[in-house]
Amino acid sequence: EPEVTQTPSHQVTQMGQEVILRCVPISNHLYFYWYRQILGQKVEFLVSFYNNEISEKSEIFDDQFSVERPDGSNFTLKIRSTKLEDSAMYFCASNRDGNSPLHFGNGTRLTVT
Amino acid sequence: GQQLNQSPQSMFIQEGEDVSMNCTSSSIFNTWLWYKQEPGEGPVLLIALYKAGELTSNGRLTAQFGITRKDSFLNISASIPSDVGIYFCAGQTAGANSKLTFGKGITLSVRP
Repeated sequence: EPEVTQTPSHQVTQMGQEVILRCVPISNHLYFYWYRQILGQKVEFLVSFYNNEISEKSEIFDDQFSVERPDGSNFTLKIRSTKLEDSAMYFCASNRDGNSPLHFGNGTRLTVT
Repeated sequence: GQQLNQSPQSMFIQEGEDVSMNCTSSSIFNTWLWYKQEPGEGPVLLIALYKAGELTSNGRLTAQFGITRKDSFLNISASIPSDVGIYFCAGQTAGANSKLTFGKGITLSVRP
């Protein structure tokens, strides 16, 4: 069964550094999402993306965050200047038509020191 | 904002027992989803509910979407050790690229 893949599985970075988290959504899906899960807490919406532009973003997704679909298969989340509180699991998700259930990747654990 | 309430935070059951989990919301959702998360992995979709009152099964799992579209339950029958994990409910609003709102999850432990 096709799945969403994310790399790397774990990223350690120093405060202030830029990080790029990578995702390959399911190939025939058109809608893409990033979610965040701080350790022990619920999964929170960050941003949704369709037709090469952001559809919706949450309050968490401030100017330090950006997303990009650089080619036909990858979907990336960039954090320009990481903060300690950015430490979390970041999940990429996709769905076929925007109303169908989301399928999640296994996440990237980001640790900011 | 929209919130989904799941309680208790943790549940402990004996292998072979049935367990039921509830999820409630102050908002109406178009679709209700149940996900399971195991350590180091992303949420995996278990059941999706689309119609008010709908009762859907997936193996030992049964879920129902409340008539008011503000609540749902998930039942697991004859639990086994691999049922261990965190069970999240999530509500999805109508419209294109509709985001999910997650509950805080219930951690299920199964004693052999």
